[in-house]
Amino acid sequence: KNEVEQSPQNLTAQEGEFITINCSYSVGISALHWLQQHPGGGIVSLFMLSSGKKKHGRLIATINIQEKHSSLHITASHPRDSAVYICAVNSGGSNYKLTFGKGTLLTVNP
Amino acid sequence: EPEVTQTPSHQVTQMGQEVILRCVPISNHLYFYWYRQILGQKVEFLVSFYNNEISEKSEIFDDQFSVERPDGSNFTLKIRSTKLEDSAMYFCASSVGAIAYNEQFFGPGTRLTVL
Repeated sequence: KNEVEQSPQNLTAQEGEFITINCSYSVGISALHWLQQHPGGGIVSLFMLSSGKKKHGRLIATINIQEKHSSLHITASHPRDSAVYICAVNSGGSNYKLTFGKGTLLTVNP
Repeated sequence: EPEVTQTPSHQVTQMGQEVILRCVPISNHLYFYWYRQILGQKVEFLVSFYNNEISEKSEIFDDQFSVERPDGSNFTLKIRSTKLEDSAMYFCASSVGAIAYNEQFFGPGTRLTVL
């Protein structure tokens, strides 16, 4: 069973700050997903990673397969980035099931 | 832009009643999923579905739950006899291929309240 841990649980930042959210998992995976959940509840997929690094606008995601660790970075943070960021991994060799972390609540103040 | 839709947005039901949650996945997607999120807790996988059969299910997905793709567009989750602990947000998702290799697209969710 794959355990997914995220840190920090809560993060408060000032607008413009560089943000890092971390995710670690216990068992080898094929892919890791970063998701964003807004206060209304909807979930949006940000990245799917199996190796290396991906960038989309101000968001950067990295993964280190050997260390079983991924980071999500937000550059020049903005209040509209305030949301819960969730890490999820395909679990136990399965191609069809995701195991989710508890999420990181990010609040960016103006 | 294509999106996953879900109906209803909110369903209130009495304990013991049957409910059907509906989803319309993105049209060219082949893999479909249901997840649930109990208030304040993490998202949990329920079931994945491909080629008209369940490809994987979690321990939560017991005999009270079933999924169906009754036509070419809808994907449904049925809870036969609801319990108080079934109260949660239920998310449908779809992907072109298996989620080990493809991005998932989520619907807006159905909030189920069991009284």
